[in-house]
Amino acid sequence: NAGVTQTPKFQVLKTGQSMTLQCAQDMNHEYMSWYRQDPGMGLRLIHYSVGAGITDQGEVPNGYNVSRSTTEDFPLRLLSAAPSQTSVYFCASLWPGGYGYTFGSGTRLTVV
Amino acid sequence: SQQGEEDPQALSIQEGENATMNCSYKTSINNLQWYRQNSGRGLVHLILIRSNEREKHSGRLRVTLDTSKKSSSLLITASRAADTASYFCATDGGGGSYIPTFGRGTSLIVHP
Repeated sequence: NAGVTQTPKFQVLKTGQSMTLQCAQDMNHEYMSWYRQDPGMGLRLIHYSVGAGITDQGEVPNGYNVSRSTTEDFPLRLLSAAPSQTSVYFCASLWPGGYGYTFGSGTRLTVV
Repeated sequence: SQQGEEDPQALSIQEGENATMNCSYKTSINNLQWYRQNSGRGLVHLILIRSNEREKHSGRLRVTLDTSKKSSSLLITASRAADTASYFCATDGGGGSYIPTFGRGTSLIVHP
């Protein structure tokens, strides 16, 4: 089925550890984004990409890195995990013309 | 900071009643979108309304847009228990900016 695939679904990290959240889409969309969702805060944009090799920062980029080597994949790297990064992370792929997002099912990350 | 803000934060109604949620935003937009999120799941696109449109319908959903007041409303008619979810509005930045930013959402509970 066409869509956005995120892995893993759940992850527990210790403070200071690093990890990569994976995101892949099979719709050949140019625009992809990473959001974090915290209670009472809605979704906040971390990083986004407008095409392979092009990324930019969103509202809350500190502590995160992204790269876009292919159209399909847009991984999010946590460089040195902190308890403040405990959150649910969503990857999304934007339809051409900006008409809507297809979201992945999310990664629930806990940093202890 | 959030571009769009939903109101009310929470809404509790009986099955069969109508549910109305509002969204206010700050800057000019190309389009405004509404999404639904069931507990523990990713967001699902419901409907898009362009900046030159005033009203749009999709099944039991009716969306209005007033660009002079920078506001939108989502009406769900004849609500069902299955409509229980959080609802988010998303706006882009207008012009060539298509990356949506989200509000904090309205939590809707429909009692059977």
